[in-house]
Amino acid sequence: GENVEQHPSTLSVQEGDSAVIKCTYSDSASNYFPWYKQELGKRPQLIIDIRSNVGEKKDQRIAVTLNKTAKHFSLHITETQPEDSAVYFCAANPRSNYQLIWGAGTKLIIKP
Amino acid sequence: SQTIHQWPATLVQPVGSPLSLECTVEGTSNPNLYWYRQAAGRGLQLLFYSVGIGQISSEVPQNLSASRPQDRQFILSSKKLLLSDSGFYLCAWSVSGRVSEQYFGPGTRLTVT
Repeated sequence: GENVEQHPSTLSVQEGDSAVIKCTYSDSASNYFPWYKQELGKRPQLIIDIRSNVGEKKDQRIAVTLNKTAKHFSLHITETQPEDSAVYFCAANPRSNYQLIWGAGTKLIIKP
Repeated sequence: SQTIHQWPATLVQPVGSPLSLECTVEGTSNPNLYWYRQAAGRGLQLLFYSVGIGQISSEVPQNLSASRPQDRQFILSSKKLLLSDSGFYLCAWSVSGRVSEQYFGPGTRLTVT
């Protein structure tokens, strides 16, 4: 079955710098890759997603890139701000069902 | 627009007591429904998912069960809680019939004492 690995587990960056979180997946049939942000004590919320027929997608300061050959996808946050501090989860959807297979999460810390 | 509700928001229960958590979705029909558990500081563990009334798939064998008595209602139950059942329980839904994002409810924080 599908397996998703996420790195790093913790990322600390200076405010204003960029942050990159990377995930790898094992099932080449996976075709949908969302990213979620979870603030402390709150529910996870979708921030951006990408499908397998697209290589890159941007939404203001957030971008996701997908490399199907290498089976990895990455979240890029530019000009980081204190409100970007949270745990970020990647996920992949195996084409065989409607589940999401989740990464373990990355705690992003923005230093003032 | 679609809305997902969960209750209660917080719950403190003794070991060995029963549990019933409820989730309802508004504004959509025949959604896929999911129950997740999140231990403190950890990731998302899928417990159950359902693609229709009475259709429940269990991902983790344990002392929990799920039911879907109505199209937009999903219930998580236990007959006897364990200390290890403590955590943040999240219900989620997604659009039926296609691969898409999941939308999470506000969650129930359960502490088993």
